Amino acid sequence: QQQVKQSPQSLIVQKGGISIINCAYENTAFDYFPWYQQFPGKGPALLIAIRPDVSEKKEGRFTISFNKSAKQFSLHIMDSQPGDSATYFCAANLNAGKSTFGDGTTLTVKP
Amino acid sequence: EAQVTQNPRYLITVTGKKLTVTCSQNMNHEYMSWYRQDPGLGLRQIYYSMNVEVTDKGDVPEGYKVSRKEKRNFPLILESPSPNQTSLYFCASSLQRQTGQYFGPGTRLTVT
Repeated sequence: QQQVKQSPQSLIVQKGGISIINCAYENTAFDYFPWYQQFPGKGPALLIAIRPDVSEKKEGRFTISFNKSAKQFSLHIMDSQPGDSATYFCAANLNAGKSTFGDGTTLTVKP
Repeated sequence: EAQVTQNPRYLITVTGKKLTVTCSQNMNHEYMSWYRQDPGLGLRQIYYSMNVEVTDKGDVPEGYKVSRKEKRNFPLILESPSPNQTSLYFCASSLQRQTGQYFGPGTRLTVT
């Protein structure tokens, strides 16, 4: 009930292409869905986030699409760059600070 | 500079020797959490706190203790560490529940 399932585990994209990472959840009580980016040797950093009353949020090249009825949300990275190569985590928050993360996606953008 | 600090950054210890990993944030955040990160398992929440003296268990609390006596500090205590607690640990804080978390730089713990 608390799980967040993330796919794919790894992704290779050519420079300029679109990277898409998907997440699915079961618990409808989740009410905040952030994405984090992590570079080797660093802590995760907030990339973009969405609330379930919104179907899409865009910040620069990064877009979250949210499908409440399907209990799915995805991260789209447009015009992917080698500097975007990192591990990406989706997460879902419950009340009082409970937070559940997906297992992560390692993105490699080839020049 | 707004930040979450953790100490130590690296720690090698032996089974059963009590240890504490400190975490401090300078952003006056209400919420703080501890996570462990293991290959292929993402980040798993150990404990979280929504305010001073208010803490609750995350998904993997066994073998860990926390306390929140001050708003800025949230130490993680391993009373009797075991080899299966060898991991990368992150502390995080957030202003509100529906805001993103700021993560510390991580503590690499090895228990032999």
